[in-house]
Amino acid sequence: DIQMTQSPSSLSASVGDRVTITCRASQGIRNDLGWYQQKPGKAPKRLIYAASSLQSGVPSRFSGSGSGTEFTLTISSLQPEDFATYYCLQHNSYPPTFGPGTKVDIK
Amino acid sequence: QVQLVQSGAEVKKPGASVKVSCKASGYTFTSYDINWVRQATGQGLEWMGWMNPNSGNTGYAQKFQGRVTMTRNTSISTAYMELSSLRSEDTAVYYCARGATVDVWGKGTTVTVSS
Repeated sequence: DIQMTQSPSSLSASVGDRVTITCRASQGIRNDLGWYQQKPGKAPKRLIYAASSLQSGVPSRFSGSGSGTEFTLTISSLQPEDFATYYCLQHNSYPPTFGPGTKVDIK
Repeated sequence: QVQLVQSGAEVKKPGASVKVSCKASGYTFTSYDINWVRQATGQGLEWMGWMNPNSGNTGYAQKFQGRVTMTRNTSISTAYMELSSLRSEDTAVYYCARGATVDVWGKGTTVTVSS
């Protein structure tokens, strides 16, 4: 199975900060990666697909980049509603595997 | 709009089985796989398996092989996930999610296993 790691596991940031989360795959997955936001008590919501494509309806402050084994999710200016946990998911190789998550909370 | 509506919360005793449903609307049910993902309290997301609603073909994570069964009823656009021989560690929220790229999620079904 492909192992996904995320860094950091958690971070504290202020409204307006630029935030970057990294996801690494144990082997190449092309761009077959999505990023998800999950708030407490809610289902995950996809933000980014194909590593860098913005899901319809998602604010443009979210962006994704990367290919192969290293990927990043960037929030250009953190907003109060962005405090949540973020997960990456690879679907290149069976079985699909999630990263362990990055919790973004208020500084 | 595309929606996956899941069945309500369940409380089961150890050793029992649970069957969770996921009703699709807003798209052609047989055109997209259905995945099942679970999340224990305070933990990450764990992929359990997938089903092709058109063919009925399934694939299960090794961890759940022999205990999970995924089925569907195409006439009512509904997928099902049954987990047997429940233990306390199976207490979690169970989600269905659409497609190979996992784009749309149901709201989740809480399954509590307790004696």
